[in-house]
Amino acid sequence: QQQVKQSPQSLIVQKGGISIINCAYENTAFDYFPWYQQFPGKGPALLIAIRPDVSEKKEGRFTISFNKSAKQFSLHIMDSQPGDSATYFCAAREDQAGTALIFGKGTTLSVSS
Amino acid sequence: EAGVVQSPRYKIIEKKQPVAFWCNPISGHNTLYWYLQNLGQGPELLIRYENEEAVDDSQLPKDRFSAERLKGVDSTLKIQPAELGDSAVYLCASSGSGAPYEQYFGPGTRLTVT
Repeated sequence: QQQVKQSPQSLIVQKGGISIINCAYENTAFDYFPWYQQFPGKGPALLIAIRPDVSEKKEGRFTISFNKSAKQFSLHIMDSQPGDSATYFCAAREDQAGTALIFGKGTTLSVSS
Repeated sequence: EAGVVQSPRYKIIEKKQPVAFWCNPISGHNTLYWYLQNLGQGPELLIRYENEEAVDDSQLPKDRFSAERLKGVDSTLKIQPAELGDSAVYLCASSGSGAPYEQYFGPGTRLTVT
């Protein structure tokens, strides 16, 4: 059973456009939702994260929107750049320090110039 | 601050051979994770250590996989014998008590079993 469902699988956006990646979860014990960015041949890098007590978090061009009642969260990349082309993973973890992350299957983003 | 270090970066072995991966976490991070990442998939936990204690190894195939973190710092993940289906990227991550929710990943070891 996939605990974190991510969509779309791939995404092509023009330079300057908005990239939107969505994730849904079922486990109400999840209380931390990070997004990771992964370039080919590299490990995932923490991009931005949110806790369910807020509905939105913004860091530069990256914004997480969180809908607790719908059990959904999304990543918005504003003014997308070719350098943003990578695979993005949403993840979630339960409310216990140190527990492992449950990852979505990833979204491959291509930003065309 | 140095990141998570893993070696080797790449390893090609024949099936039935043993292989070992090494990880050095970020200094001061007491929690260490080994994840498996298959092609086109998100990472999946194999084992989690709190200091030198393996506190979650429920997803580790114990018939062929083993891991250790003897002094609560570096860790080694071993496969013996390797199977074709073990071809994947093995990622190490760590987190510290100051920010226990933030996990930082190393570059991974890409294993190819022929």
